[in-house]
Amino acid sequence: KQEVTQIPAALSVPEGENLVLNCSFTDSAIYNLQWFRQDPGKGLTSLLLIQSSQREQTSGRLNASLDKSSGRSTLYIAASQPGDSATYLCAVSGGSYIPTFGRGTSLIVHP
Amino acid sequence: DVKVTQSSRYLVKRTGEKVFLECVQDMDHENMFWYRQDPGLGLRLIYFSYDVKMKEKGDIPEGYSVSREKKERFSLILESASTNQTSMYLCASSPALQEAFFGQGTRLTVV
Repeated sequence: KQEVTQIPAALSVPEGENLVLNCSFTDSAIYNLQWFRQDPGKGLTSLLLIQSSQREQTSGRLNASLDKSSGRSTLYIAASQPGDSATYLCAVSGGSYIPTFGRGTSLIVHP
Repeated sequence: DVKVTQSSRYLVKRTGEKVFLECVQDMDHENMFWYRQDPGLGLRLIYFSYDVKMKEKGDIPEGYSVSREKKERFSLILESASTNQTSMYLCASSPALQEAFFGQGTRLTVV
């Protein structure tokens, strides 16, 4: 059964720092990996989708990479801002097409 | 933009009541999912559906049922609500092997 782990569980950084969130998964037979953002009490907002044939995707200050063979993905956030404070979740989809989630990284960016 | 709409943001129900959570998507997606999210446990899959009238159990289906009579609508039913079903419920939809989109979530409290 696929297991997804996100490290660290929580992170607090000063505004302006570049930071890296990590996601690892046990079964490398995936079709895609998706990064989400969740604000307190709200639903999930899709940030980036990486197909299994891709190595990375970029959107604005966000860059996600995928190393399928080693079962790892990273989300890089450049020049962090207080508005980036949220929980970040990664999810992988395999043969069943069902996203399996990690437990998230709770990020606080303080001014 | 893809829109996934859950019928209620907040819901308070009494123990033993039959509860309906509705989810509607506007993009003709084949796949729809119901998750629940609890602190420390992350997102856990309750049920999913690949097509109209198709449903499959997820990891925690006990105490729940679902209905998908039309492609755009996926309903989660709590046959007899119990206090341990107090949770955040999240609906999602996706085309096969593509990006998943989530609704805003329903915070259900069973008293």
